Amino acid sequence: KAGVTQTPRYLIKTRGQQVTLSCSPISGHRSVSWYQQTPGQGLQFLFEYFSETQRNKGNFPGRFSGRQFSNSRSEMNVSTLELGDSALYLCASSPGDRGQVKQYFGPGTRLTVL
Amino acid sequence: GNSVTQMEGPVTLSEEAFLTINCTYTATGYPSLFWYVQYPGEGLQLLLKATKADDKGSNKGFEATYRKETTSFHLEKGSVQVSDSAVYFCALIGSQGNLIFGKGTKLSVKP
Repeated sequence: KAGVTQTPRYLIKTRGQQVTLSCSPISGHRSVSWYQQTPGQGLQFLFEYFSETQRNKGNFPGRFSGRQFSNSRSEMNVSTLELGDSALYLCASSPGDRGQVKQYFGPGTRLTVL
Repeated sequence: GNSVTQMEGPVTLSEEAFLTINCTYTATGYPSLFWYVQYPGEGLQLLLKATKADDKGSNKGFEATYRKETTSFHLEKGSVQVSDSAVYFCALIGSQGNLIFGKGTKLSVKP
């Protein structure tokens, strides 16, 4: 099976712009979670989507949003970018059952905000 | 709330040295515990896990035992290799199903 793929791998944006990142989960997985990784805050949970519905949400402002399509692919959007949004954004997929503990991570999208 | 605390890095060892990376957690109940590894320029890979007290997770020579008495899940390896150089993250599953990570410990192994 192909692993989790994320596109693009690298992005450079300027303050005030918006950005959309994409994540394709492992075939058959219905849950996609997003995490932000920064040197200062470490790995922080953004949100989880399951069967096209947001099932869980972390403590991030409303500028961060996401969605999931019927084929389980997910996108996250960040509007009005700030310098502090520079980070590695990781997505992880899992089959989605509540008791399922193993998540598979993609390689990440490195976002730089200038 | 749930949280994970792991030892600050970086940790620098010589090849074949013994490795311990400490991890303690605060949680309601007994959540599943994990160690993830991140190699340079890559995403996270699950290294090992334990789902209940006294379970021992192991993989690629790494081991960690779920200790509820000390709320710990320390990572150990008897003989590290240069290829083990990476950042290691301890994590638990939060009450809503998301992973909660420690800050990460960077390991450098010198030949």
